Amino acid sequence: DAKTTQPPSMDCAEGRAANLPCNHSTISGNEYVYWYRQIHSQGPQYIIHGLKNNETNEMASLIITEDRKSSTLILPHATLRDTAVYYCIALNTGGFKTIFGAGTRLFVKA
Amino acid sequence: NAGVMQNPRHLVRRRGQEARLRCSPMKGHSHVYWYRQLPEEGLKFMVYLQKENIIDESGMPKERFSAEFPKEGPSILRIQQVVRGDSAAYFCASSPKGPLNAKNIQYFGAGTRLSVL
Repeated sequence: DAKTTQPPSMDCAEGRAANLPCNHSTISGNEYVYWYRQIHSQGPQYIIHGLKNNETNEMASLIITEDRKSSTLILPHATLRDTAVYYCIALNTGGFKTIFGAGTRLFVKA
Repeated sequence: NAGVMQNPRHLVRRRGQEARLRCSPMKGHSHVYWYRQLPEEGLKFMVYLQKENIIDESGMPKERFSAEFPKEGPSILRIQQVVRGDSAAYFCASSPKGPLNAKNIQYFGAGTRLSVL
């Protein structure tokens, strides 16, 4: 599975959009991009995933570049409860060893 | 619809004792995954089980660690003769179908925090 790189931390003002980048320049054609987050002392929570098209659900939007080498997770209106570590993961169909790197620690400030 | 249930939430053991961590997957889920998280680190895959079968245990230490997912009852992660280095948070996840399904989403429990004195 492709390795992903993310900035170690980011700040966001409450109510503003949080844009979390992820680089996955070695991603292969059958690898999906998954995003999970882990709020302090809790288990990871699935957010969204996609292959090459942009995706949106009730939690977030996922923008994947045309060459699929990078993506951005967008939380449209961040709240204090969105403070967490966000993990970007590349995983192919059939893959199950979800590799959680260091992630991005997002701080949402009032 | 209850989520993935793990118990106990906190477990304290002395060196040399056994630790048993339990995981009840979400209703209808037959695939279970165990992960370990050391302080300030990401989760590391340990083992993947489907009812009564170990599919992949490549992330699990060869000695002292074992896992099972019986036909009836929860999945159990067992650590024998615990050492201080086993202190960590252990997370269980479940999925309704195997990794070949299109969504391949894992649903995580709240974890068991093991402290070895």
